[in-house]
Amino acid sequence: KAGVTQTPRYLIKTRGQQVTLSCSPISGHRSVSWYQQTPGQGLQFLFEYFSETQRNKGNFPGRFSGRQFSNSRSEMNVSTLELGDSALYLCASSFSPLGTDTQYFGPGTRLTVL
Amino acid sequence: GESVGLHLPTLSVQEGDNSIINCAYSNSASDYFIWYKQESGKGPQFIIDIRSNMDKRQGQRVTVLLNKTVKHLSLQIAATQPGDSAVYFCAETTNTGNQFYFGTGTSLTVIP
Repeated sequence: KAGVTQTPRYLIKTRGQQVTLSCSPISGHRSVSWYQQTPGQGLQFLFEYFSETQRNKGNFPGRFSGRQFSNSRSEMNVSTLELGDSALYLCASSFSPLGTDTQYFGPGTRLTVL
Repeated sequence: GESVGLHLPTLSVQEGDNSIINCAYSNSASDYFIWYKQESGKGPQFIIDIRSNMDKRQGQRVTVLLNKTVKHLSLQIAATQPGDSAVYFCAETTNTGNQFYFGTGTSLTVIP
């Protein structure tokens, strides 16, 4: 069974631009969560989608948004990019809602904001 | 303001020795725990999990121990190999929770 895939793997943007990241969960998984990982803050939870609905949201500004499609694929959007948004963005999927089951991570998208 | 980097605990072991990585958690209601391994430039990789109704669980070369009394979790790696060099995270959640909480991680270096 294929693992969690994320595209693109690397991205370079400039301040003020917006970016969309994509995540395809493991087949059959309905929960997709997004995390931001930086050397300064570690792994921080952004939000979780389950069956196309946002279940939980972390403490991030409204510039960070997401959605999930009927096939469980998910996208994350960051608008008006800031230098501090440079990070590794990780997607994780699980069969059951987040917190009740094992979640598996993708390789991440490395976003650099110049 | 100035951002402060996380101080990552480090552990260096000789190849072939056993490694023990520790994790303290604060929520006594946490009942499900996962250990992840993250190599440089990659996403976290699931290693092993344990639920609170168990004290010990074994996998291939890895053992997780859970001490609920002192809220402590440990990961033991037997016969550590150079490929085990990575950052190891513990994650916890509760049965009514809706997200995982991650530790800061421990950087393991295996000396050949």
